[in-house]
Amino acid sequence: EVQLVESGGGLVKPGGSLRLSCAGSGFTFSSYTLNWVRQAPGKGLEWVSSISSTSDYIYYSDSLKGRFTISRDNAENSLYLQMNSLTADDTAVYYCAREDCFVRGCSSHLAWFDPWGQGTLVTVSS
Amino acid sequence: QSVLTQPPSASGTPGQRVTISCSGGSPNIGINPVNWYQHLPGAAPKVLIYSDNQRPSGVPDRFSGSKSGTSASLAISGLQSEDEADYYCAVWDDGLNGWVFGGGTKVTVL
Repeated sequence: EVQLVESGGGLVKPGGSLRLSCAGSGFTFSSYTLNWVRQAPGKGLEWVSSISSTSDYIYYSDSLKGRFTISRDNAENSLYLQMNSLTADDTAVYYCAREDCFVRGCSSHLAWFDPWGQGTLVTVSS
Repeated sequence: QSVLTQPPSASGTPGQRVTISCSGGSPNIGINPVNWYQHLPGAAPKVLIYSDNQRPSGVPDRFSGSKSGTSASLAISGLQSEDEADYYCAVWDDGLNGWVFGGGTKVTVL
């Protein structure tokens, strides 16, 4: 079964840092582009960042203002999101999602997210 | 506000047809395929329609997608109670170099 499992969420004070992890299984992890998507309480889904299979292409939402860093370790089948200078606006459930496509390695603009993990909750509060 | 515009809510009685619109622009819907996701409370989002109008295996054929110009639509025919969920359109934006989501539409079965 293709699966993504997030971890690392929790309560952090404003200005603090947190590192999220996402473990993949049931597929060739190193062949896929991966993404982070978040959902703040009562709000919609918001794309955060994506990283290509070999980490050659990395993109971020402009709203992050350079505070987040996405990375991956294909040997460990793991995706990461380092979050710094956190504010209350970063409070959200963070999902990791794999990009799927008609052919392996296609460009993101042709892809879709499948599957998604169950999410991990990040709460930024004093 | 979201780059893609969706109505915040839609509703219908069991068996009715409900349509959700998603309006974008030339850097996103105008040139790239649109995907639709269903998000049930407490669950992981799930792809419902990909590449404008393709249904993954396991998704009932009551769900269909279409696109014209810079707008896309998701239709649910024969509405059922288990269709109560939030629905999001999403597409890659060539101008932003990133994915953009609609604000989401909450579907209620009356």
